[in-house]
Amino acid sequence: GENVEQHPSTLSVQEGDSAVIKCTYSDSASNYFPWYKQELGKRPQLIIDIRSNVGEKKDQRIAVTLNKTAKHFSLHITETQPEDSAVYFCAASIVGRGSTLGRLYFGRGTQLTVWP
Amino acid sequence: NAGVTQTPKFRVLKTGQSMTLLCAQDMNHEYMYWYRQDPGMGLRLIHYSVGEGTTAKGEVPDGYNVSRLKKQNFLLGLESAAPSQTSVYFCASSQLAGVSYEQFFGPGTRLTVL
Repeated sequence: GENVEQHPSTLSVQEGDSAVIKCTYSDSASNYFPWYKQELGKRPQLIIDIRSNVGEKKDQRIAVTLNKTAKHFSLHITETQPEDSAVYFCAASIVGRGSTLGRLYFGRGTQLTVWP
Repeated sequence: NAGVTQTPKFRVLKTGQSMTLLCAQDMNHEYMYWYRQDPGMGLRLIHYSVGEGTTAKGEVPDGYNVSRLKKQNFLLGLESAAPSQTSVYFCASSQLAGVSYEQFFGPGTRLTVL
């Protein structure tokens, strides 16, 4: 099955700096890569996703890049704010094909702390 | 819309006791999932369902059973709880069609097995 590795496990940045979280995946058939944010005591929530036919996607201060050849994708957060502090999970999946059932394989998470 | 709801929110069990966690969604989603979350381990899939009456094993299915008798509900059962099953359990649902493949998560159930 798919194996997703995520680095770093913890990341501390000063408010206003950028943060980058990186993930690698093993199954070249994976074609959907979402990122979830989980605040303390809350449920994971999707913040951005990318499909394999796109190399980069942006949404305000967050962006995701995908390198299919190297099988890695990254989350970039610019101008970080204290409310960005949370655990971020990357995931990989195969979608659009009935036999794979859309299972998400998650990385182990990155605890991001943004200091004021 | 309530989205995805889970009951109970908290539970403490003794080793060997049984219990059922209930997940309900009102988005008419076909796909439903049960995950467990442990510190440093991310979210691991226990069981999932691709439609009413269907279930399948995920990454860590041992010690758990599930049922999907109604499209909107997905039940997770622990027949004989063990301390290793102390965890936070999340249910999720998705449609996996159209423009969105997003999984929507419930608020979680914190289970402690003594």
